[in-house]
Amino acid sequence: DTAVSQTPKYLVTQMGNDKSIKCEQNLGHDTMYWYKQDSKKFLKIMFSYNNKELIINETVPNRFSPKSPDKAHLNLHINSLELGDSAVYFCASSQGRTNTEAFFGQGTRLTVV
Amino acid sequence: GENVEQHPSTLSVQEGDSAVIKCTYSDSASNYFPWYKQELGKRPQLIIDIRSNVGEKKDQRIAVTLNKTAKHFSLHITETQPEDSAVYFCAATDSWGKLQFGAGTQVVVTP
Repeated sequence: DTAVSQTPKYLVTQMGNDKSIKCEQNLGHDTMYWYKQDSKKFLKIMFSYNNKELIINETVPNRFSPKSPDKAHLNLHINSLELGDSAVYFCASSQGRTNTEAFFGQGTRLTVV
Repeated sequence: GENVEQHPSTLSVQEGDSAVIKCTYSDSASNYFPWYKQELGKRPQLIIDIRSNVGEKKDQRIAVTLNKTAKHFSLHITETQPEDSAVYFCAATDSWGKLQFGAGTQVVVTP
């Protein structure tokens, strides 16, 4: 009965590969996010979707492409992986776009070798 | 856009003492200020939040204060315990709904 779940939890891959991370929430929330947490623990927003519509798109390389097939799912596809993409990626969801708690998934630790 | 600064980056306290973490924000339109706790290897989890129409909020040993004029807010943890050891993040939500986090504070509570 996990509220926000991501798969996989760990991902080790070689440079140049393409990989996807999946996220699902069962909270009935309208808004979903992807955050990147680097080695210094800094949490930076990458994307936000509200009812399947992209509403926030930070300065992220276009190798990163989010996809929201429905409001309960937000996947992240990364093309041509680079060493600098190594980080923990967190999916999150919230009810509404503003002033509400964001619930985080358990994170996906991506290591590019 | 919103810019959130957080201090200190590390904080070491003796068990039973208080811990205070301070944050400032830049966007005067920001109106929601949550605090998240992240234990090692775990996800960030909300511990307390405050909205711009409130100056102070308390929940057991934790409290948050907000000064909208000065654009700063603070987290206070009293009677710290070893299980309070974690990274704490402040955040601010701007009018677009973008949740901007501070850089985090590593709190270490020593017995």
